[in-house]
Amino acid sequence: GNSVTQMEGPVTLSEEAFLTINCTYTATGYPSLFWYVQYPGEGLQLLLKATKADDKGSNKGFEATYRKETTSFHLEKGSVQVSDSAVYFCALISNDYKLSFGAGTTVTVRA
Amino acid sequence: SAVISQKPSRDICQRGTSLTIQCQVDSQVTMMFWYRQQPGQSLTLIATANQGSEATYESGFVIDKFPISRPNLTFSTLTVSNMSPEDSSIYLCSVEGGDSYEQYFGPGTRLTVT
Repeated sequence: GNSVTQMEGPVTLSEEAFLTINCTYTATGYPSLFWYVQYPGEGLQLLLKATKADDKGSNKGFEATYRKETTSFHLEKGSVQVSDSAVYFCALISNDYKLSFGAGTTVTVRA
Repeated sequence: SAVISQKPSRDICQRGTSLTIQCQVDSQVTMMFWYRQQPGQSLTLIATANQGSEATYESGFVIDKFPISRPNLTFSTLTVSNMSPEDSSIYLCSVEGGDSYEQYFGPGTRLTVT
């Protein structure tokens, strides 16, 4: 079956630091990959996506590249802000149209 | 992306009672989904609800406990029946959208069972 493994948290950073959250997956077929973000007290928002190998998704300064050879989709941001404090979920969808989520990584950015 | 609303946004309920959660979308969608997010956990799919057919439940979830209605292409309800404290969670609905089958989520309903 499909599964997503992402870096354990929590992660605490200072403002303007570099953020990486690792995500690897197991899936049948050719999945689409996503990062969702959940800000405190809010629902999930789609942050970025990639649909095929070597695609790079980007949004709000975040980037992730679909690496088929390493089955990875790591999330990166070069300079985080306090407003980036949230829980980040890696997810995939495959032939069954069902989203599979990672466990989530809590990120706290300190001023 | 679709705009999704849920009612209620939160509720505190007594053990043994039932709560119905509503999900409204601003456009017609074929597939709607219901998820549970237990405290500090990731999301778990409860069921897929397509208009005009019975909901499809994931392993570990049954219709008697989580009956779902899907009367039209913009609305769905999830009922949490005979609640226990273990049902305390955030319940989210989502809809399929976009060309990559990504899903868009409502704001969630935070349920506490005492």
